[in-house]
Amino acid sequence: GAGVSQSPRYKVAKRGQDVALRCDPISGHVSLFWYQQALGQGPEFLTYFQNEAQLDKSGLPSDRFFAERPEGSVSTLKIQRTQQEDSAVYLCASSLAAGAYEQYFGPGTRLTVT
Amino acid sequence: AQSVSQHNHHVILSEAASLELGCNYSYGGTVNLFWYVQYPGQHLQLLLKYFSGDPLVKGIKGFEAEFIKSKFSFNLRKPSVQWSDTAEYFCAVNQNAGNNRKLIWGLGTSLAVNP
Repeated sequence: GAGVSQSPRYKVAKRGQDVALRCDPISGHVSLFWYQQALGQGPEFLTYFQNEAQLDKSGLPSDRFFAERPEGSVSTLKIQRTQQEDSAVYLCASSLAAGAYEQYFGPGTRLTVT
Repeated sequence: AQSVSQHNHHVILSEAASLELGCNYSYGGTVNLFWYVQYPGQHLQLLLKYFSGDPLVKGIKGFEAEFIKSKFSFNLRKPSVQWSDTAEYFCAVNQNAGNNRKLIWGLGTSLAVNP
Protein backbone atom coordinates (compact mmCIF):
# COMPACT_ATOMS: atom_id res chain seq x y z
CA GLY A 1 0.00 0.00 0.00
CA ALA A 2 1.00 3.63 -0.27
CA GLY A 3 3.26 4.97 2.41
CA VAL A 4 3.71 8.49 3.70
CA SER A 5 4.45 10.90 0.87
CA GLN A 6 5.93 14.35 1.04
CA SER A 7 6.26 17.14 -1.50
CA PRO A 8 8.30 18.73 -2.75
CA ARG A 9 11.24 16.40 -2.19
CA TYR A 10 13.66 19.30 -2.59
CA LYS A 11 13.11 23.00 -2.08
CA VAL A 12 15.53 25.86 -2.49
CA ALA A 13 14.39 29.16 -1.04
CA LYS A 14 16.04 32.53 -0.83
CA ARG A 15 16.35 33.94 2.65
CA GLY A 16 13.17 35.77 3.54
CA GLN A 17 10.87 33.71 1.33
CA ASP A 18 7.94 31.72 2.67
CA VAL A 19 7.73 27.98 2.00
CA ALA A 20 5.02 25.35 2.38
CA LEU A 21 5.81 21.67 2.76
CA ARG A 22 3.13 19.04 2.28
CA CYS A 23 2.63 15.66 3.90
CA ASP A 24 0.18 12.96 2.84
CA PRO A 25 -0.02 10.38 5.63
CA ILE A 26 -0.98 6.76 5.22
CA SER A 27 -4.72 6.61 4.60
CA GLY A 28 -6.65 6.23 7.85
CA HIS A 29 -3.76 7.13 10.11
CA VAL A 30 -4.97 9.28 12.97
CA SER A 31 -1.71 10.74 14.18
CA LEU A 32 0.73 12.88 12.21
CA PHE A 33 4.13 14.18 13.24
CA TRP A 34 6.63 16.67 11.85
CA TYR A 35 10.36 16.44 12.59
CA GLN A 36 13.34 18.55 11.54
CA GLN A 37 16.63 16.82 10.80
CA ALA A 38 19.73 18.93 10.39
CA LEU A 39 22.78 17.48 8.65
CA GLY A 40 24.54 14.92 10.82
CA GLN A 41 21.87 15.06 13.53
CA GLY A 42 18.96 12.94 14.60
CA PRO A 43 15.42 14.11 13.91
CA GLU A 44 14.01 16.71 16.28
CA PHE A 45 10.31 16.83 17.09
CA LEU A 46 8.38 19.84 15.82
CA THR A 47 4.67 19.15 16.25
CA TYR A 48 1.99 16.44 16.51
CA PHE A 49 -1.62 16.18 15.33
CA GLN A 50 -4.34 13.79 16.33
CA ASN A 51 -6.86 14.06 13.52
CA GLU A 52 -7.18 17.81 12.94
CA ALA A 53 -6.22 18.79 16.48
CA GLN A 54 -2.69 19.99 17.07
CA LEU A 55 -1.96 18.44 20.45
CA ASP A 56 1.70 19.36 20.82
CA LYS A 57 3.61 22.13 19.12
CA SER A 58 6.33 22.44 21.70
CA GLY A 59 9.09 21.74 19.20
CA LEU A 60 8.33 24.53 16.74
CA PRO A 61 11.47 26.70 16.95
CA SER A 62 9.82 30.07 16.42
CA ASP A 63 6.57 31.74 15.47
CA ARG A 64 7.77 31.64 11.86
CA PHE A 65 6.85 27.94 11.84
CA PHE A 66 3.21 26.99 11.50
CA ALA A 67 1.57 23.63 10.83
CA GLU A 68 -2.00 22.69 10.02
CA ARG A 69 -4.08 19.62 9.26
CA PRO A 70 -7.52 21.08 8.65
CA GLU A 71 -9.37 17.93 7.60
CA GLY A 72 -7.42 15.43 9.62
CA SER A 73 -5.50 13.97 6.68
CA VAL A 74 -3.04 16.06 4.63
CA SER A 75 -0.82 18.38 6.63
CA THR A 76 1.17 21.46 5.64
CA LEU A 77 4.20 22.85 7.44
CA LYS A 78 4.73 26.51 6.63
CA ILE A 79 7.86 28.46 7.31
CA GLN A 80 7.68 32.21 6.96
CA ARG A 81 10.64 34.49 6.23
CA THR A 82 13.04 31.57 5.91
CA GLN A 83 16.52 31.88 7.38
CA GLN A 84 19.67 29.91 6.68
CA GLU A 85 19.37 27.96 9.94
CA ASP A 86 16.07 26.56 8.65
CA SER A 87 18.02 24.48 6.12
CA ALA A 88 17.31 20.86 7.02
CA VAL A 89 15.34 17.80 6.03
CA TYR A 90 11.75 18.02 7.21
CA LEU A 91 10.29 14.61 7.98
CA CYS A 92 6.66 13.69 8.30
CA ALA A 93 5.45 10.54 10.04
CA SER A 94 2.05 9.05 10.71
CA SER A 95 0.72 6.39 13.03
CA LEU A 96 -2.44 4.37 12.90
CA ALA A 97 -4.22 5.26 16.10
CA ALA A 98 -4.05 7.79 18.87
CA GLY A 99 -2.54 5.24 21.20
CA ALA A 100 -0.19 3.67 18.68
CA TYR A 101 3.43 4.59 19.06
CA GLU A 102 4.89 3.11 15.89
CA GLN A 103 5.51 5.91 13.43
CA TYR A 104 5.86 5.47 9.68
CA PHE A 105 8.09 7.99 7.98
CA GLY A 106 7.99 9.72 4.62
CA PRO A 107 11.06 10.44 2.49
CA GLY A 108 11.40 13.99 3.77
CA THR A 109 11.70 17.39 2.13
CA ARG A 110 15.21 18.78 1.91
CA LEU A 111 15.01 22.55 2.34
CA THR A 112 18.00 24.67 1.44
CA VAL A 113 17.86 28.37 2.25
CA THR A 114 20.37 30.47 0.33
CA ALA B 1 15.79 18.15 29.26
CA GLN B 2 15.44 14.53 28.26
CA SER B 3 18.10 13.24 25.93
CA VAL B 4 19.21 10.14 24.07
CA SER B 5 22.89 9.29 23.67
CA GLN B 6 24.32 7.00 21.04
CA HIS B 7 27.92 6.30 21.90
CA ASN B 8 29.26 5.27 18.52
CA HIS B 9 28.94 7.77 15.70
CA HIS B 10 30.76 5.77 13.05
CA VAL B 11 31.32 2.03 13.07
CA ILE B 12 33.16 0.02 10.44
CA LEU B 13 32.94 -3.76 10.50
CA SER B 14 33.74 -6.67 8.25
CA GLU B 15 31.02 -9.08 7.21
CA ALA B 16 30.22 -11.74 9.83
CA ALA B 17 31.48 -9.55 12.68
CA SER B 18 29.20 -9.01 15.65
CA LEU B 19 27.55 -5.65 16.21
CA GLU B 20 26.54 -3.78 19.33
CA LEU B 21 25.39 -0.17 19.21
CA GLY B 22 24.90 1.63 22.50
CA CYS B 23 21.90 3.78 23.42
CA ASN B 24 21.25 5.49 26.73
CA TYR B 25 18.43 7.85 27.67
CA SER B 26 17.99 10.28 30.52
CA TYR B 27 14.28 9.99 31.39
CA GLY B 28 13.49 8.23 34.67
CA GLY B 29 9.86 7.33 34.09
CA THR B 30 8.17 4.75 31.90
CA VAL B 31 9.46 4.79 28.36
CA ASN B 32 8.81 3.27 24.97
CA LEU B 33 12.02 2.53 23.07
CA PHE B 34 12.75 2.24 19.37
CA TRP B 35 15.53 1.57 16.93
CA TYR B 36 15.05 2.93 13.43
CA VAL B 37 17.26 2.30 10.42
CA GLN B 38 17.82 4.39 7.32
CA TYR B 39 19.38 2.57 4.39
CA PRO B 40 21.13 4.73 1.79
CA GLY B 41 18.56 6.69 -0.18
CA GLN B 42 15.60 5.30 1.75
CA HIS B 43 13.16 6.42 4.45
CA LEU B 44 13.55 5.83 8.14
CA GLN B 45 12.02 2.47 8.98
CA LEU B 46 11.36 0.72 12.24
CA LEU B 47 13.83 -2.00 13.19
CA LEU B 48 12.37 -2.95 16.55
CA LYS B 49 10.51 -1.54 19.54
CA TYR B 50 10.03 -2.11 23.25
CA PHE B 51 6.87 -1.13 25.12
CA SER B 52 6.72 -3.59 28.02
CA GLY B 53 7.28 -7.24 28.91
CA ASP B 54 10.32 -9.25 27.93
CA PRO B 55 13.23 -6.80 27.90
CA LEU B 56 14.92 -8.69 25.08
CA VAL B 57 13.16 -7.79 21.87
CA LYS B 58 13.72 -9.17 18.42
CA GLY B 59 13.31 -7.15 15.27
CA ILE B 60 13.65 -7.57 11.57
CA LYS B 61 16.73 -8.87 9.77
CA GLY B 62 18.17 -10.65 12.80
CA PHE B 63 18.50 -7.58 15.01
CA GLU B 64 17.70 -7.63 18.70
CA ALA B 65 17.89 -5.14 21.55
CA GLU B 66 17.92 -5.44 25.32
CA PHE B 67 16.25 -2.95 27.65
CA ILE B 68 18.14 -2.63 30.93
CA LYS B 69 16.08 -0.32 33.10
CA SER B 70 18.73 0.11 35.79
CA LYS B 71 21.20 1.34 33.20
CA PHE B 72 18.71 3.40 31.17
CA SER B 73 20.00 1.52 28.15
CA PHE B 74 18.58 -0.08 25.02
CA ASN B 75 21.53 -1.47 23.08
CA LEU B 76 21.13 -2.90 19.60
CA ARG B 77 22.86 -6.16 18.67
CA LYS B 78 23.33 -8.46 15.73
CA PRO B 79 25.53 -11.57 15.94
CA SER B 80 26.74 -11.48 12.34
CA VAL B 81 26.42 -8.42 10.12
CA GLN B 82 26.06 -8.41 6.36
CA TRP B 83 27.10 -5.87 3.76
CA SER B 84 23.41 -4.99 3.34
CA ASP B 85 23.31 -3.77 6.96
CA THR B 86 25.27 -0.68 5.91
CA ALA B 87 23.00 2.14 7.05
CA GLU B 88 22.38 4.86 9.62
CA TYR B 89 20.88 3.60 12.90
CA PHE B 90 18.87 5.79 15.25
CA CYS B 91 17.72 5.14 18.79
CA ALA B 92 14.54 6.97 19.86
CA VAL B 93 12.64 7.23 23.11
CA ASN B 94 9.05 8.16 23.89
CA GLN B 95 8.18 9.18 27.42
CA ASN B 96 5.06 7.20 28.23
CA ALA B 97 3.09 9.95 29.94
CA GLY B 98 -0.40 11.18 29.14
CA ASN B 99 -0.84 12.30 25.57
CA ASN B 100 2.87 12.47 24.85
CA ARG B 101 3.65 10.92 21.49
CA LYS B 102 6.86 12.68 20.47
CA LEU B 103 10.07 10.78 19.96
CA ILE B 104 13.39 12.03 21.31
CA TRP B 105 16.22 10.86 19.05
CA GLY B 106 19.90 10.12 19.32
CA LEU B 107 22.36 11.55 16.82
CA GLY B 108 22.58 8.28 14.95
CA THR B 109 25.32 5.77 14.23
CA SER B 110 26.65 5.30 10.74
CA LEU B 111 27.50 1.64 10.14
CA ALA B 112 29.64 0.57 7.20
CA VAL B 113 30.05 -3.15 6.60
CA ASN B 114 32.89 -4.15 4.32
CA PRO B 115 32.35 -7.23 2.16
